[in-house]
Amino acid sequence: ETGVTQTPRHLVMGMTNKKSLKCEQHLGHNAMYWYKQSAKKPLELMFVYSLEERVENNSVPSRFSPECPNSSHLFLHLHTLQPEDSALYLCASSRVTGDYTFGSGTRLTVV
Amino acid sequence: GQQLNQSPQSMFIQEGEDVSMNCTSSSIFNTWLWYKQEPGEGPVLLIALYKAGELTSNGRLTAQFGITRKDSFLNISASIPSDVGIYFCAGQGGATNKLIFGTGTLLAVQP
Repeated sequence: ETGVTQTPRHLVMGMTNKKSLKCEQHLGHNAMYWYKQSAKKPLELMFVYSLEERVENNSVPSRFSPECPNSSHLFLHLHTLQPEDSALYLCASSRVTGDYTFGSGTRLTVV
Repeated sequence: GQQLNQSPQSMFIQEGEDVSMNCTSSSIFNTWLWYKQEPGEGPVLLIALYKAGELTSNGRLTAQFGITRKDSFLNISASIPSDVGIYFCAGQGGATNKLIFGTGTLLAVQP
């Protein structure tokens, strides 16, 4: 499989649940990103991993916890989320200085 | 922080019309990218611009990297119904090569 693959495509979770989003890329890229897309807002960069090391955390609440076990996989662990965290979560990858390729996203609804 | 102002916010046009949208920034970028996002999908790269003054085409799409490196525009000629979607500009630069997105232009094309 090529490109950036995100699972699941849709997720509904309660505020006390723990869930994880998964992202996988087979492009040979060495940087991976999590973005949050809410209605009527620009895409917000959440986390950046470069060469498997977290290089940026844009003041994201601790209820979001990223994990990058290797250069092909990126996870976003979710715990005790709030309804305002409902959004489309997009994963992207790139070479360190290259164009970004995005996955199709996970549509998250917190109830 | 860096901000990208994208306009117009939305456009409702007839099939066959030409479309123009632009982005301006308060800071300089090294790269300008234009993405299209369709419902339920992640953004897909349309055109990448790497040099000030560069004019690049991709089929009916043409984009330019402004001389000041603080702006870019995207033109779509002879629009067709499948051009419908949200178009995002994105600027890339700085030490972390972070990608900053504009707020998007929603394009609707009436057959």
